[in-house]
Amino acid sequence: AQTVTQSQPEMSVQEAETVTLSCTYDTSESDYYLFWYKQPPSRQMILVIRQEAYKQQNATENRFSVNFQKAAKSFSLKISDSQLGDAAMYFCAYIGGTSYGKLTFGQGTILTVHP
Amino acid sequence: GAVVSQHPSRVICKSGTSVKIECRSLDFQATTMFWYRQFPKQSLMLMATSNEGSKATYEQGVEKDKFLINHASLTLSTLTVTSAHPEDSSFYICSGEAPSSYEQYFGPGTRLTVT
Repeated sequence: AQTVTQSQPEMSVQEAETVTLSCTYDTSESDYYLFWYKQPPSRQMILVIRQEAYKQQNATENRFSVNFQKAAKSFSLKISDSQLGDAAMYFCAYIGGTSYGKLTFGQGTILTVHP
Repeated sequence: GAVVSQHPSRVICKSGTSVKIECRSLDFQATTMFWYRQFPKQSLMLMATSNEGSKATYEQGVEKDKFLINHASLTLSTLTVTSAHPEDSSFYICSGEAPSSYEQYFGPGTRLTVT
């Protein structure tokens, strides 16, 4: 079974600084997708970034970028120029080719941004 | 982006009564919808996968007779918590799978409190 592990229950960062959230996963599949979701205090889940496993290039979305290390099964999220609005719980998630659309989530990391 | 709504956003019911939560995809047809449960500061736990026109598939440990799921159309899925008890109090989130995509779009969630 696929598993997703986020080893950092909580992280903090100063406004305008950079922070990296860690995620590792375990799978035997070769075709899969990885996601980072943000859940702010409103609890609405928001897709931050996605990465297709077959793509070697790391995905980027404005201030958000990932470091995808397929061999190491690592998928970290880097937030640059952190803003107060980035404060949220972040979830790493996985969908495999045989998962029939089921997302496997990590435990989550609570990110605090200090002004 | 695709929008999913949930109704109600908050509901309080008495122990022993039933409550229905609606999940609608507003601008896309979701052949598959998912229902999650989330406790405070924890990850999302998949309860069931709902496919339009067929019976839902429940995850291990989820009581299908207690959590009734109906997916009558491509834009509506409902979750009915029957004979609710205080331990059913939680945050329930639905999501719809975008066509030809592995992406899921999440509703804003429903906070259920059973007194």
